[in-house]
Amino acid sequence: AQSVAQPEDQVNVAEGNPLTVKCTYSVSGNPYLFWYVQYPNRGLQFLLKYITGDNLVKGSYGFEAEFNKSQTSFHLKKPSALVSDSALYFCAVRAYMNTGFQKLVFGTGTRLLVSP
Amino acid sequence: DAGVIQSPRHEVTEMGQEVTLRCKPISGHDYLFWYRQTMMRGLELLIYFNNNVPIDDSGMPEDRFSAKMPNASFSTLKIQPSEPRDSAVYFCASSLASELGGPIFYEQYFGPGTRLTVT
Repeated sequence: AQSVAQPEDQVNVAEGNPLTVKCTYSVSGNPYLFWYVQYPNRGLQFLLKYITGDNLVKGSYGFEAEFNKSQTSFHLKKPSALVSDSALYFCAVRAYMNTGFQKLVFGTGTRLLVSP
Repeated sequence: DAGVIQSPRHEVTEMGQEVTLRCKPISGHDYLFWYRQTMMRGLELLIYFNNNVPIDDSGMPEDRFSAKMPNASFSTLKIQPSEPRDSAVYFCASSLASELGGPIFYEQYFGPGTRLTVT
C-alpha cells in the first residue's frame, strides 16, 4: 500500500534551534512527496513538494525537506525555529487508487511546539 | 483572492437530520476536493471534481453522502440522514491544475473547514 508514516506525534524545540519533523514513505515507483501545515482552526497549507531533481527542496516560510531514497525518508527541516512555527505538520504522498485515479495520502500529522 | 470559502464553520445537528456543507473554490481553479478529518482516521479524500464533473467518489463512505458541483464557483456536500459517526471536520480544497495527477494537482488550497457535530 502507498503510505507515509510520521513516527512522532509531537516535536518540541526551543526558538532559534533547528527543527526536524520526520516522515518515511512506502510507494512503488518514483514518489511525489509533500508537506502541508495546519494552524489551529485553519485548513491545511501547502509548504513544499518533491517531484524529481535535487534531493533538498526549499519551500515556504524558510522550511526545506530532504529526500533520501535509500532511507525512504522525506524529513522536514528548518535551521532556526520560530514560536509562530508551532502547528500541525502533515507529510503526504501521491497514491494510485484501485480506480486508476490518483490522490494525496496524508500521514497522521506531527504537532510541532516551539517554546520561547 | 479570498481563498476557499466554506460555510457554515460549525454545524450541530441531531441524528437523522439532513446536513448540507457548502464550498466556494478559488476562482479559476479547475479541481475541487472534499476531505474529512477525524482523530481516528486522519484526513481522508471523499470525492473530487474536475471542471464541475465528479472524477472519483470512491472515498464517499456511504450512500448517505452525496456531493454536487452545479457550477465552477459552488459545491455542496450533503449527508442525509446524518449519524453521530459523521462528526468530523470537513474540508474543501481546490487546485489550479491543467493535468490530472501532475505536480500542480497536489498543491491544494484548503478552506477553513466545517466542524460537524451530530448528536
